[in-house]
Amino acid sequence: AQSVTQLGSHVSVSEGALVLLRCNYSSSVPPYLFWYVQYPNQGLQLLLKYTTGATLVKGINGFEAEFKKSETSFHLTKPSAHMSDAAEYFCAVTRPSGTGRRALTFGSGTRLQVQP
Amino acid sequence: NAGVMQNPRHLVRRRGQEARLRCSPMKGHSHVYWYRQLPEEGLKFMVYLQKENIIDESGMPKERFSAEFPKEGPSILRIQQVVRGDSAAYFCASSPNGTGSFSNQPQHFGDGTRLSIL
Repeated sequence: AQSVTQLGSHVSVSEGALVLLRCNYSSSVPPYLFWYVQYPNQGLQLLLKYTTGATLVKGINGFEAEFKKSETSFHLTKPSAHMSDAAEYFCAVTRPSGTGRRALTFGSGTRLQVQP
Repeated sequence: NAGVMQNPRHLVRRRGQEARLRCSPMKGHSHVYWYRQLPEEGLKFMVYLQKENIIDESGMPKERFSAEFPKEGPSILRIQQVVRGDSAAYFCASSPNGTGSFSNQPQHFGDGTRLSIL
């Protein structure tokens, strides 16, 4: 079974400050990990993903995340917050499969507020 | 727009009525997933379908809910005899065709259908 825990349902930062959104996962096999962003009344947009290889992955809009197996973490960061980053962020996990796809297991989300 | 298309965007039903939610996957995608998002919560998996087949319905409530993905046309999520607790946003996602270990291909999401039960 897999699970995702996002610490902090609400995070508030000042414009230009570092953004750090935390995600810890539980998986019995090496996972595939994703971060999605959701703007109000919209669907989810993929920010970045980790499957194999380099543990530091870069995504869109200046975001990046680092897979740390020893800490079972996949925290999302951005060096300098922009007002347009205000949204809900979801961490998700799935298991690799050679025979078929698997659904995503999502965390409960973190709402990011950016103060001017 | 070649993205995942869901309709309607908003749907209002009275208790006891039926709700039908439609999802057209991205062009070239034949894998469809349905998720439900309750207020202030993350998305919860409901069902995974390929054309004419239900692959995994472990997240679907046992009663009143059904899903299909016919050979032609969109995927349909049907909720019969709706109750207030069915009020939620329902999201559809699709992913590409392929063989081998392809679960690393990200799912692409539609904008969702917001279902309100009066």
